[in-house]
Amino acid sequence: KQEVTQIPAALSVPEGENLVLNCSFTDSAIYNLQWFRQDPGKGLTSLLLIQSSQREQTSGRLNASLDKSSGRSTLYIAASQPGDSATYLCAVIIVGETSGSRLTFGEGTQLTVNP
Amino acid sequence: ETGVTQTPRHLVMGMTNKKSLKCEQHLGHNAMYWYKQSAKKPLELMFVYNFKEQTENNSVPSRFSPECPNSSHLFLHLHTLQPEDSALYLCASSQGARLARQFFGPGTRLTVL
Repeated sequence: KQEVTQIPAALSVPEGENLVLNCSFTDSAIYNLQWFRQDPGKGLTSLLLIQSSQREQTSGRLNASLDKSSGRSTLYIAASQPGDSATYLCAVIIVGETSGSRLTFGEGTQLTVNP
Repeated sequence: ETGVTQTPRHLVMGMTNKKSLKCEQHLGHNAMYWYKQSAKKPLELMFVYNFKEQTENNSVPSRFSPECPNSSHLFLHLHTLQPEDSALYLCASSQGARLARQFFGPGTRLTVL
């Protein structure tokens, strides 16, 4: 059974700092990996999706890397801002036994960026 | 806005009540999903529908009954729930079920008294 772990569970940093969020998964046979952002009481916003054949994806100040062989992904946030405060979730895609597409999530990292 | 809406946003119900959660997607997708997010636990997939047909039931108790009348609408009918069913219920949709990026609604915060 695929398990996804995110470290740290919570992180508090001053504004402007560069930071790294970590995600690890137990089964390297994934199709892709997504990073999401969740604001309190709200749904998920997809930030980056990395296909299994890719090593990284970038969007603005965000950069996500993927190392399938070691079962790891990192989300790098440059020059953090208070608006980046949210919970960041990592999820891997495995294909279910039927035609469904199953996302397996980590528990998330709660990020607080202090002004 | 992701193009996926959910109503109601908040719901409080007793254990003997019957209620329904509604999800609607305006993205032209053909796959829809229900997820449960409990405190201090990862999101859990509950159901998957692909072209209105249920393709996955992740061992969900029968007190949760999904319905997908068309590719744009998904319901979750609730009856005789337990307090431990209190959670955030998230709906998502995707274009195609296999490997596709999923777009999430804002969720319904459910409290069972």
